[in-house]
Amino acid sequence: EVQLVESGGGLGQPGGSLRLSCAASGFTLSSHWMHWVRQGPGKGLVWVSRMSSDGYATDYADSVKGRFTISRDNAKNTLLLQMNNLRPEDTAVYYCAREKWNAFDMWGQGTMVTVSS
Amino acid sequence: DFQMTQSPSSLSASVGDTVTITCRAGQSIITYLNWYQQKPGKAPKLLIYAVSSLQSGVPSRFSGSGSGTDFTLTINSLQPEDFATYYCQQTFYIPRTFGQGTKVEIK
Repeated sequence: EVQLVESGGGLGQPGGSLRLSCAASGFTLSSHWMHWVRQGPGKGLVWVSRMSSDGYATDYADSVKGRFTISRDNAKNTLLLQMNNLRPEDTAVYYCAREKWNAFDMWGQGTMVTVSS
Repeated sequence: DFQMTQSPSSLSASVGDTVTITCRAGQSIITYLNWYQQKPGKAPKLLIYAVSSLQSGVPSRFSGSGSGTDFTLTINSLQPEDFATYYCQQTFYIPRTFGQGTKVEIK
């Protein structure tokens, strides 16, 4: 089955770290640009980061630049998001998404991150 | 950040109605405009990409139009399963911004 499955969410302390994973099955991550998108409680969708298909290019939203790092484990066909120096405003459901035809054609089910002391 | 402005933010409609949602970009995004549907507790689902191309499996009652800065999502003959929140998204600029969403509720 072609799908994306996120994991790694949970409770993080302000100033702490969490690492999210997005495991792909049925296709190869390195064939696509991949993205992270988040959605705060009761809020809209906010783009967070992207990685190019060749893995050499990355981009970040200003709100996470310098704190979050997107990467990929090709052997495990898994997209990663290392989240450091967490802030309460990072509390959200985090989705990974595949890009195709300049649109996000496949999404994971999401993983909840709560930042609180 | 690059702004995408959706209107209305919410609307009430009945089964069988035609619904129109608009999305305005801060500057031209040519045809790099997509529409998503999201139901409570679920991930977004791609409906339309590149302004008017229907994603595989999406019913033909959904259609999109526009170019440059002004875009429209139309839902003909609204069905019970269409009550959801809809988002536009531009993929011309970084960051890949979304509109604030339009919640379609049952009248």
